[in-house]
Formats: sequence, structure tokens, C-alpha cells
Amino acid sequence: GAGVSQSPSNKVTEKGKDVELRCDPISGHTALYWYRQSLGQGLEFLIYFQGNSAPDKSGLPSDRFSAERTGGSVSTLTIQRTQQEDSAVYLCASSLGGGSKEQYFGPGTRLTVT
Amino acid sequence: LAKTTQPISMDSYEGQEVNITCSHNNIATNDYITWYQQFPSQGPRFIIQGYKTKVTNEVASLFIPADRKSSTLSLPRVSLSDTAVYYCLVGSHSGYSTLTFGKGTMLLVSP
Repeated sequence: GAGVSQSPSNKVTEKGKDVELRCDPISGHTALYWYRQSLGQGLEFLIYFQGNSAPDKSGLPSDRFSAERTGGSVSTLTIQRTQQEDSAVYLCASSLGGGSKEQYFGPGTRLTVT
Repeated sequence: LAKTTQPISMDSYEGQEVNITCSHNNIATNDYITWYQQFPSQGPRFIIQGYKTKVTNEVASLFIPADRKSSTLSLPRVSLSDTAVYYCLVGSHSGYSTLTFGKGTMLLVSP
């Protein structure tokens, strides 16, 4: 079946612009995660959805970052007034449940802020 | 959340067995131990998960001692394609808990 998909695959934006990143999880997966990964670094947790609610949004680095999930499916991560330090690969994952249940990752969106 | 410590990097040669050890001294009773593999320019991929003793699948084995304060991922007869970053994570199956990916162990397999 289809895996997790993300769009766009690459995004180049100017500093100060807003961007929206999209994640389509595997059908039926109730849990959805957003991470970001800077070059050569590990994964940084951003936010976790269980259904449409976000029990854990502790990883969002600032109030410029927000995310929503609708219909228990698609999720959008929005970054307002982008800064150069926001440049990274943004990864989305989904799973059948939260916690340590197996997460399936998408290919990521590479964001470059110039 | 239980913190994990693993080597930053390891080197090996094709055909050898590789063992990557992860320390998790403050693991909780409900926590499972999970390993992921990440190739360059890809998202991580689940390898194996265990709670205690030994777990084996077609890719790897996971050894967990009785005190569960550490675990060892064993990759038999590695090939060049096993060059990747390996992450050790600890967490419960609770729907309201999340996992923390550290920097992982960069395994380089040479010919």
C-alpha cells in the first residue's frame, strides 16, 4: 500500500516568507509526528498528533511554528516569517498508535531559507 | 523520558558481525527498546523492538540483559549497504508518549 507522502519535496523560500509543508500519513494511522533534521544532526521532535489533537507540541521551537491535522489524516506544518536557521529537512511519520509503536517515515521536505 | 547513550560512530568491514550497544540506565518498567536505521536523504526505518531477553528478525538481533539498562543491536555479516545511522530509542506504548531520537551511531562498512 501507499506509504507516507510529503509535499513539496524541496522548498526554497526567502527569509521572512511563510511556508506550508504537507504530510499524508498511511491510511488508518491515528498517530502522526513531525520532526526536523539539520545537516548531520539527529532528528528533532516537533509535534505529535493523536487523531486531530496534539497531546505533545513541546518540540515546536517558537511561536512561528504551528501545525494542524484535519479529518484524522492530512497534516500541515506552517512556519511563519521563516529564518535561515529554519533550513532543514522536515520529516513526517505516522503509526498505528503513539509511544513506541513502529513509525513509518515519509521522504521529507528539504526547506532552504535564503 | 529515558535518555539513551550510544557511540557516535563505528567502523566495520564487509562480512563481519557488528554490535552496537546502547545505554539506558533510567529505563522505566513500561518502556520498550526500539532501533531505527537511517540512510542518507531518507527517513528512518524501523529495524527491531524488544522488551527483554532476545529478539531476532530477518534483519537483526536485539539482546537485552535482565536489568534492561542497556541493549545491543547485532547485525550479522554486514554489507556495504548497511552503512547508515542507527538510532536507539526507549519509550512506552502509551498513546500519549513520544520517542526521542538522539544523534545515533554512524556505522561505516568498508570493503
